[in-house]
Amino acid sequence: KAGVTQTPRYLIKTRGQQVTLSCSPISGHRSVSWYQQTPGQGLQFLFEYFSETQRNKGNFPGRFSGRQFSNSRSEMNVSTLELGDSALYLCASIAWDSGDTQYFGPGTRLTVL
Amino acid sequence: QKEVEQNSGPLSVPEGAIASLNCTYSDRGSQSFFWYRQYSGKSPELIMFIYSNGDKEDGRFTAQLNKASQYVSLLIRDSQPRDSATYLCAAQRGAAGNKLTFGGGTRVLVKP
Repeated sequence: KAGVTQTPRYLIKTRGQQVTLSCSPISGHRSVSWYQQTPGQGLQFLFEYFSETQRNKGNFPGRFSGRQFSNSRSEMNVSTLELGDSALYLCASIAWDSGDTQYFGPGTRLTVL
Repeated sequence: QKEVEQNSGPLSVPEGAIASLNCTYSDRGSQSFFWYRQYSGKSPELIMFIYSNGDKEDGRFTAQLNKASQYVSLLIRDSQPRDSATYLCAAQRGAAGNKLTFGGGTRVLVKP
């Protein structure tokens, strides 16, 4: 099986812009979650989607949003970018038949200038 | 107090020795626990998960869970230089969704 795909891998934006990141889960997986990783805060949960519905949301401002499509692909959007949004954004594909194990994609490295 | 705590390290281990990593959690509702390995500049890679008290072995790795003490550990036997990485412990409540709460990670250095 192919792994989790995330695009783009690297992104440079300026403050105030918006960005959309994409994630394709492992074939057959219907749930994805998103995390932000920074040196200061570590890995923090953003949100989780299952069958196009948001099941769970972390403690991030409303500038962070996401959605999931009928083919299980997911996107997350960050509007009005701030310098502090510079991070590695990770998508995880969730295996419901294996203890809800989460398999991470390679991530998108976002730099906000 | 952080929900999941790990010693940041670095934990220096001679090649061939056992590396012992510890993790404590504060949420008694946590049901499943995961260990991930993360190389510098890469994404986390699943090592193993555990949800029952006791030990679980997978190759050179053994995870231990003690829910009464709210303690999870990972043993790496016959440590190799390729095991040098940051090890992340994560807790999951389960029924409330699949949110993983991560510790800050323990950096392990295996010296030849």
